[in-house]
Amino acid sequence: ILNVEQSPQSLHVQEGDSTNFTCSFPSSNFYALHWYRWETAKSPEALFVMTLNGDEKKKGRISATLNTKEGYSYLYIKGSQPEDSATYLCASPNSNSGYALNFGKGTSLLVTP
Amino acid sequence: NAGVTQTPKFRILKIGQSMTLQCTQDMNHNYMYWYRQDPGMGLKLIYYSVGAGITDKGEVPNGYNVSRSTTEDFPLRLELAAPSQTSVYFCASSYSDLGQPQHFGDGTRLSIL
Repeated sequence: ILNVEQSPQSLHVQEGDSTNFTCSFPSSNFYALHWYRWETAKSPEALFVMTLNGDEKKKGRISATLNTKEGYSYLYIKGSQPEDSATYLCASPNSNSGYALNFGKGTSLLVTP
Repeated sequence: NAGVTQTPKFRILKIGQSMTLQCTQDMNHNYMYWYRQDPGMGLKLIYYSVGAGITDKGEVPNGYNVSRSTTEDFPLRLELAAPSQTSVYFCASSYSDLGQPQHFGDGTRLSIL
């Protein structure tokens, strides 16, 4: 089982603040790193799938970077809005189980006006 | 486009009862997965399938069974419900490509009393 760790566990920011979270994963046997956004009572929604060291991806105000050599990824949100409030999950595929995802416990973000 | 559809959305069972959680996808994905999510824990893999007729155990398979008679359907069976199976269950599917995200259903919230 690949250990995927996320920090912080939770975060509370004011509207307009920029913020970032960390995901760490074993750097050996790396295949890909997934980021999902998960709102309460909804299904996890894919944000990014990153496969190459040095990858940087962007979707609106959200961006992510990947360092496979040291085993970490950062997710950044620029100018947080209340609608960004959600749990952000990162996950890494496990080749021993049909590339099922090993998830971190998530970072719960609350953005208040 | 329906994506991944799970039924039911909610269910309350008595200890010892059995039930089947349904999951179907219309994206012609080969890979399908069942995860459960417990408070404070990341999503854990119950069972997975890499194609019709092929299933295998994940991290927490005890008390569950699955089948995959068609590409579209991947039902999860609880034979003797136990309180430890109270959880939120998510079905997901993906192409057999590490660069592609998993698509999740809306979840089934199951309580065993």
